[in-house]
Amino acid sequence: GQNIDQPTEMTATEGAIVQINCTYQTSGFNGLFWYQQHAGEAPTFLSYNVLDGLEEKGRFSSFLSRSKGYSYLLLKELQMKDSASYLCAVSDSNYQLIWGAGTKLIIKP
Amino acid sequence: GAVVSQHPSWVICKSGTSVKIECRSLDFQATTMFWYRQFPKQSLMLMATSNEGSKATYEQGVEKDKFLINHASLTLSTLTVTSAHPEDSSFYICSARVPSQGAPYEQYFGPGTRLTVT
Repeated sequence: GQNIDQPTEMTATEGAIVQINCTYQTSGFNGLFWYQQHAGEAPTFLSYNVLDGLEEKGRFSSFLSRSKGYSYLLLKELQMKDSASYLCAVSDSNYQLIWGAGTKLIIKP
Repeated sequence: GAVVSQHPSWVICKSGTSVKIECRSLDFQATTMFWYRQFPKQSLMLMATSNEGSKATYEQGVEKDKFLINHASLTLSTLTVTSAHPEDSSFYICSARVPSQGAPYEQYFGPGTRLTVT
């Protein structure tokens, strides 16, 4: 079966750095997405990785290792507004998005 | 670009009635749209894939006669929840793919519709 695993909840301090991990087992791979979802709102796109390595975009970076079926989202200089759920999703062989359950990130002052 | 809207943003209905949710692509043509459902503290669950001019493809376990999807034009897909029950109360979100924009097969999401069935 297809499976995406990510931690349920993480807590970090304002101004710090946090890494959210995602491991996956899917039938085929056509890229991995990270989305941010604030409570009661729809997800918004953060990043896309299809090749191994690190993609940096401002305070957010995303890493992929296809051989390990592993990705992480790195958030630097955390701000209170970063409190949200972070969803990992993999595009499978049919270009269907398989979603993880999401990681709820709590930022404390 | 690539803006997706949904209407209504929230709706309360009585058990047994039907509710229609509209999903529109405002500045692009969407041949494929997706309908998701999300229960509190859970991830997105894909309900169906909606293709313009053809029948929707439903995920396993989703009743096609209960959740009617119509994708009659390149900018509009509708989801009708028929004979709604309290257990249908959820957050319904649509999305669209825009192959020419963003990451390959990136999905752009509408703001969601919160349905409460009393």
